[in-house]
Amino acid sequence: EDQVTQSPEALRLQEGESSSLNCSYTVSGLRGLFWYRQDPGKGPEFLFTLYSAGEEKEKERLKATLTKKESFLHITAPKPEDSATYLCAVGSYNTDKLIFGTGTRLQVFP
Amino acid sequence: DAGVIQSPRHEVTEMGQEVTLRCKPISGHDYLFWYRQTMMRGLELLIYFNNNVPIDDSGMPEDRFSAKMPNASFSTLKIQPSEPRDSAVYFCASSLPGLKTEAFFGQGTRLTVV
Repeated sequence: EDQVTQSPEALRLQEGESSSLNCSYTVSGLRGLFWYRQDPGKGPEFLFTLYSAGEEKEKERLKATLTKKESFLHITAPKPEDSATYLCAVGSYNTDKLIFGTGTRLQVFP
Repeated sequence: DAGVIQSPRHEVTEMGQEVTLRCKPISGHDYLFWYRQTMMRGLELLIYFNNNVPIDDSGMPEDRFSAKMPNASFSTLKIQPSEPRDSAVYFCASSLPGLKTEAFFGQGTRLTVV
């Protein structure tokens, strides 16, 4: 069964304190691993798609990496506006649907 | 494009009443997904459509839930009768054809059943 586990559940950082969020997955035939950002009261907003192990993508202070078992979302020198819940999802070739993790709630304090 | 549009944004109803949530996907997207989000269970897929045809409804919790997509630009999720445990945020998402494309989400409908 396809599964996604995210850790930690919550993370508090000081502004400028770099860290990483983890997404471990089990899937039969990965067609893509997706990172989303969700602000309170809003829908998830797409950030990145990673397709194969070794792939990396960057956007501003965020960098996503992928191995055969997990993905990391690295946050470099975060700012308070990076505070949000970050969701990871996987899609397999067996199905059209995405399986989501429960997310990491990130708070960045000035 | 305005993105995925959901209505209403908030709905408060009494137990036993019928509730209808609405979604307009992004034009040109032929996949449409309905998700439910709660603190306990996170984002759960309820049902999804491809070219207006329901493909997988295994996530629909009970027969009280039903979904339709009469055309490419409109879908509804109906709960009848509603119960307090249905209280959650319901999201609609759409995506382009192809297995490697991301889904784009609407702003959600926050449903409260009292």
